[in-house]
Amino acid sequence: NAGVMQNPRHLVRRRGQEARLRCSPMKGHSHVYWYRQLPEEGLKFMVYLQKENIIDESGMPKERFSAEFPKEGPSILRIQQVVRGDSAAYFCASSPSLGDLNEQYFGPGTRLTVT
Amino acid sequence: KNEVEQSPQNLTAQEGEFITINCSYSVGISALHWLQQHPGGGIVSLFMLSSGKKKHGRLIATINIQEKHSSLHITASHPRDSAVYICAVVRNTGNQFYFGTGTSLTVIP
Repeated sequence: NAGVMQNPRHLVRRRGQEARLRCSPMKGHSHVYWYRQLPEEGLKFMVYLQKENIIDESGMPKERFSAEFPKEGPSILRIQQVVRGDSAAYFCASSPSLGDLNEQYFGPGTRLTVT
Repeated sequence: KNEVEQSPQNLTAQEGEFITINCSYSVGISALHWLQQHPGGGIVSLFMLSSGKKKHGRLIATINIQEKHSSLHITASHPRDSAVYICAVVRNTGNQFYFGTGTSLTVIP
């Protein structure tokens, strides 16, 4: 059973470009969480999604950031018009559709660098 | 103020020493996790606790719900234990994690 997959692992974008980060949850998991880790800071919650639904986006910046988890395919975290302050590691985690939702499994992260 | 506070922020130990990392939280929780983040950045879940104590190899995690406090202990520490250890709580009003800022552990041979 493959773990949580994220790609790309490293992404370099120039200011003003768009960044798309992908997360494929573990097989059988229908809950996805996105977290951001800024340099020298701890992890912060961004958004919690189930298939085709955003459950909690209280940690998402109000502008330029969006997330989706379509019925088919990976979850996507999209950052439009990136700025240097968006440089960070973005982690996703998934949890099962049944059972303990507290049990989250983390992906390896995508390191975004904005130049 | 952060909902989750860890101490110490940085810890250096000699190989073989017994290590304790502390976590205090200020919100009602349904579970507490201890995570390990290696220099490469990957995150591994070590423990999930809602009460009592758990042991896995040289690692022991305890939680006191009344005092809103958890500890992670490492016995007979080894250089390969060098990593950042992160305490995370799941609030009992939702499913999102709140993270401590981490404890950076370096074990010297």
